[in-house]
Amino acid sequence: AQTVTQSQPEMSVQEAETVTLSCTYDTSESDYYLFWYKQPPSRQMILVIRQEAYKQQNATENRFSVNFQKAAKSFSLKISDSQLGDAAMYFCAYEEYEGGSEKLVFGKGTKLTVNP
Amino acid sequence: GAVVSQHPSWVICKSGTSVKIECRSLDFQATTMFWYRQFPKQSLMLMATSNEGSKATYEQGVEKDKFLINHASLTLSTLTVTSAHPEDSSFYICSASLAGGQETQYFGPGTRLLVL
Repeated sequence: AQTVTQSQPEMSVQEAETVTLSCTYDTSESDYYLFWYKQPPSRQMILVIRQEAYKQQNATENRFSVNFQKAAKSFSLKISDSQLGDAAMYFCAYEEYEGGSEKLVFGKGTKLTVNP
Repeated sequence: GAVVSQHPSWVICKSGTSVKIECRSLDFQATTMFWYRQFPKQSLMLMATSNEGSKATYEQGVEKDKFLINHASLTLSTLTVTSAHPEDSSFYICSASLAGGQETQYFGPGTRLLVL
């Protein structure tokens, strides 16, 4: 099974500033998907961004962007102009295919605090 | 788009009773639905993968007779916790993948189960 590592249990950022959350993964596959999900205190999992491994261009969604380094198996999330509503647990996930269907493997998460 | 609902959002039951949790994809058809369990301050743990019209595939260590999963239609999957005990108390989350090979999972809001 693949593994996903988030080395930062907690991070904090000042409102309006930029923060980067780290994620590394282990795989022998060449084609796969990577995701960042956000889980606010409501505990609803919200898709933040998705990256397809065969695409060299880094995915971007408004203030959220990734730095995808395939050779290094690194997939960091950058949040620009941080807002109070960005405070949440952030989970990095790798999608693997097993038993004929896709499965998400999650990291342990990074708790992001946004300071006013 | 891609909205997933769960019902109930929280439930309290007595030890020994069974509890059914519903997961619905509201605006799309989902060939595959997933059931996760999340303990406090931890990541999501996949319990089982449910494909419409076929038996669910359970992860290692998850009791099939304890956690009954039914995926009778492309928009509905149910998880029944049979003979619930206090150790089954947890947060249960479902997710669904769009039909047609899309890889993104969209999550429901979760169900908090407390077994007394």
